[in-house]
Amino acid sequence: AQSVTQPDIHITVSEGASLELRCNYSYGATPYLFWYVQSPGQGLQLLLKYFSGDTLVQGIKGFEAEFKRSQSSFNLRKPSVHWSDAAEYFCAVGAHNNNDMRFGAGTRLTVKP
Amino acid sequence: DAGVIQSPRHEVTEMGQEVTLRCKPISGHNSLFWYRQTMMRGLELLIYFNNNVPIDDSGMPEDRFSAKMPNASFSTLKIQPSEPRDSAVYFCASNYGFEGYTFGSGTRLTVV
Repeated sequence: AQSVTQPDIHITVSEGASLELRCNYSYGATPYLFWYVQSPGQGLQLLLKYFSGDTLVQGIKGFEAEFKRSQSSFNLRKPSVHWSDAAEYFCAVGAHNNNDMRFGAGTRLTVKP
Repeated sequence: DAGVIQSPRHEVTEMGQEVTLRCKPISGHNSLFWYRQTMMRGLELLIYFNNNVPIDDSGMPEDRFSAKMPNASFSTLKIQPSEPRDSAVYFCASNYGFEGYTFGSGTRLTVV
């Protein structure tokens, strides 16, 4: 079965600084990969997804992620963080039927003024 | 579309009482998932349905938990009897195909 690891439990960045959140997956075939964001008291919102094709995918809110098969990674990036980006971020990997999606433990992002 | 709708948003109940959580998926979505989120365990998949049929309930903690999906627009998760360790946020999500899940806002359950 597939699995995903988010090595960083908590990250703090200054507003305006760049951001990279790490995600490593384990899956025998080409995975379906997702990033979700959860604001306090809210459900998870889909930021972006990768199924195939261009390995650099663009998402909402100015986020992007790059699929690197050789590193089994799907890191999330943003060039300039805003205070409103403070939230919990979850990476997820899905099987081809997408009904067995596994979530990472999440990375909590704090944004300093 | 109003998205995935869960009710209630908050529930406080006494140990031993029955609790029913409700979910209305997005119209047209054919899969529905129930998750539980806690600080200790993160997001846990409890059960999922495909075309109203339960496919995998291996994540349901014990017999006190049960879930139903009587039609494509409604699902319930029931806990009977409830215990303090059931306190968590319960999320419902739905999807169609490979588009990724759409989550509801969750039900925060507190069992005292």
